[in-house]
Parts: sequence; structure tokens; C-alpha cells
Amino acid sequence: QSALTQTASVSGSPGQSITISCTGTSTDVGGYNSVSWYQQHPGKAPKLMISDVTNRPSGVSNRFSGSKSGNTASLTISGLQAEDEADYYCSSYTSSSTVLFGGGTKLTVL
Amino acid sequence: EVQLLESGGGLVQPGGSLRLSCAASGFSLSSYAMSWVRQTPGKGLEWVSAISDSDSRTYYADSVKGRFTISRDNSKNTLYLQMNSLRAEDSAVYYCAKWQYNRFFDYWGQGTLVTVSS
Repeated sequence: QSALTQTASVSGSPGQSITISCTGTSTDVGGYNSVSWYQQHPGKAPKLMISDVTNRPSGVSNRFSGSKSGNTASLTISGLQAEDEADYYCSSYTSSSTVLFGGGTKLTVL
Repeated sequence: EVQLLESGGGLVQPGGSLRLSCAASGFSLSSYAMSWVRQTPGKGLEWVSAISDSDSRTYYADSVKGRFTISRDNSKNTLYLQMNSLRAEDSAVYYCAKWQYNRFFDYWGQGTLVTVSS
């Protein structure tokens, strides 16, 4: 199975909002509410930011939000801050009982 | 506090074997599904394998099926990944992660580096 499709890079200025998209198919993103998003800083382990499409785990800033429409999920970060600069990955459960990740999006805060 | 600590990585020749361990603390491994995820340096994440909570069903990515085996020892609260017939393309940092079955990975270890090279 191919990885979910993410834009390779996105940038924004402090205070702005950005959206990262994650496109799959009806057998993964479109078929399940099991899309999650992870933030990864260089040299660190991934950190869960959004679960089950829209849920924000305890301790994650409310500036992070998730949504889904059809086969595409999105992560929106509002009020960009310098510490948001990181790589972001989406993930989805699939009809083959496997898990797919997106290729990752590098967020640069200008 | 949930903690996951991987070990067992290192340098191995192509065709060789390696067993990774992931010691869990702060929760009972037997009650949760677990997974292995790898990341090639400078590249993205790739799901490798998972084991369910209740009946220990196992799942594998096509790229490792037949070569890797996931297991756990509940008495030691430890997850394992036995990797056989290793290839250069298996070189990566391997993370263990606590898996909310079929949904998301809520806790991750710090990873262990596996390098397959002659």
C-alpha cells in the first residue's frame, strides 16, 4: 500500500494559521474515523497531536485542530508559534488491518 | 507515567538477525495493543507491525511479512520484534508505540537504531 499523500512543506508567520492535508482512499482515510496526527521535532520521537480525526489529547494546545472530508483529512494550526516548527505526519487505519502514515510535512515558522 | 524503552539495535550484516526489545512501565502491557514503527534517517514514518491486546493477533506490513515476528512477554512487561533476513532497506530507527487498537499511537519510545550493512 502507498503512503498517504501530504504536502512536503508548508510555512507561515507567527500568529498566522496553516493547514496540512492528508489524502488517502476509501479504504483508509475515507473509510475510518481513525486518522491521527503526530508532531516530530528533530531527533525526538513523534508526539500525538490529534486522534480519531478531531480529538485533541490532554495537554495539546487548542491551537491544533483536525477535520476530515471524504478521503482527505486536515490538520490546522492557528496562532502559529516558533515551537510549532516541526515535521507533521498523518496516519490512518486501513481495511487491510494495517496502518499507513503520510510522507510527512515540514512546517517552517518564518 | 507511561514509559517505553527500546533496546537491541545495532549493526548487523545483510541476511542477519536482530531482536529488539521494548520495556514498558506505567501500564500493563497485557491490556493494550502495541506496535513497532520505523523511520529511515531523514525520511518518514513507516508502520512495521502490531499485536492486539486481548488475543495477541499479529499484523505486519508487506515489506516485513515473513521476516519479522512481533511478540510480548507479559510477565516481563516487554514487547519484542524478532527481525530475520535483514536487508539494507531495513536500516532505520525503530520505535515501539502503545497503540489504541485500530485508532492511534498515544505513547512512543525514544527509538533504537538498526543499521544493516556489510
